[in-house]
Amino acid sequence: NAGVMQNPRHLVRRRGQEARLRCSPMKGHSHVYWYRQLPEEGLKFMVYLQKENIIDESGMPKERFSAEFPKEGPSILRIQQVVRGDSAAYFCASSPLAGGPKNTGELFFGEGSRLTVL
Amino acid sequence: RKEVEQDPGPFNVPEGATVAFNCTYSNSASQSFFWYRQDCRKEPKLLMSVYSSGNEDGRFTAQLNRASQYISLLIRDSKLSDSATYLCVVRNGGATNKLIFGTGTLLAVQP
Repeated sequence: NAGVMQNPRHLVRRRGQEARLRCSPMKGHSHVYWYRQLPEEGLKFMVYLQKENIIDESGMPKERFSAEFPKEGPSILRIQQVVRGDSAAYFCASSPLAGGPKNTGELFFGEGSRLTVL
Repeated sequence: RKEVEQDPGPFNVPEGATVAFNCTYSNSASQSFFWYRQDCRKEPKLLMSVYSSGNEDGRFTAQLNRASQYISLLIRDSKLSDSATYLCVVRNGGATNKLIFGTGTLLAVQP
């Protein structure tokens, strides 16, 4: 059973370009979370999605960032007009269960996509 | 104030030492608690959940004090392979199962 798959593992973009990061959750998982880790900092929640729905995007910057999780295919985190401050590791995590008190809370993380903006 | 606070370290300890990490959280409604481990430039991986009664997994012991909103992790007989960043994590309940991560404590076990 493959784990959470993220690609690309490394992405280099110039300022102003677009970055697209993809995440395929573990088999049987329909809940996806995106986290960002800036250098020397902790993981910051960005967005929680279920298939075709954004459930919680309270951690997403208001501009340039968007996320989707279509019925078919991977979840995509899209960053438009990247700036140097977007350079970070972007981790995707999946869960088999929806949010709520019955969930044990463990998330399974992918290996991350490291974005470098020149 | 950060939702989850940890001493960033680094903790430099010799092999075989016992080391303790502490963590505090600000939201008294937090429902679940975890320690994750993150190796350099790798993804976080669950080390253990933390229960109110305290729990142990081999050389690792986790404790939770809800009244003080305090979580701890004790590592006995440290191994070189324990060198990593240890992340204190809480889940605040509600509908999204969102995990809130501390910034981590770096442990370096020296030979």
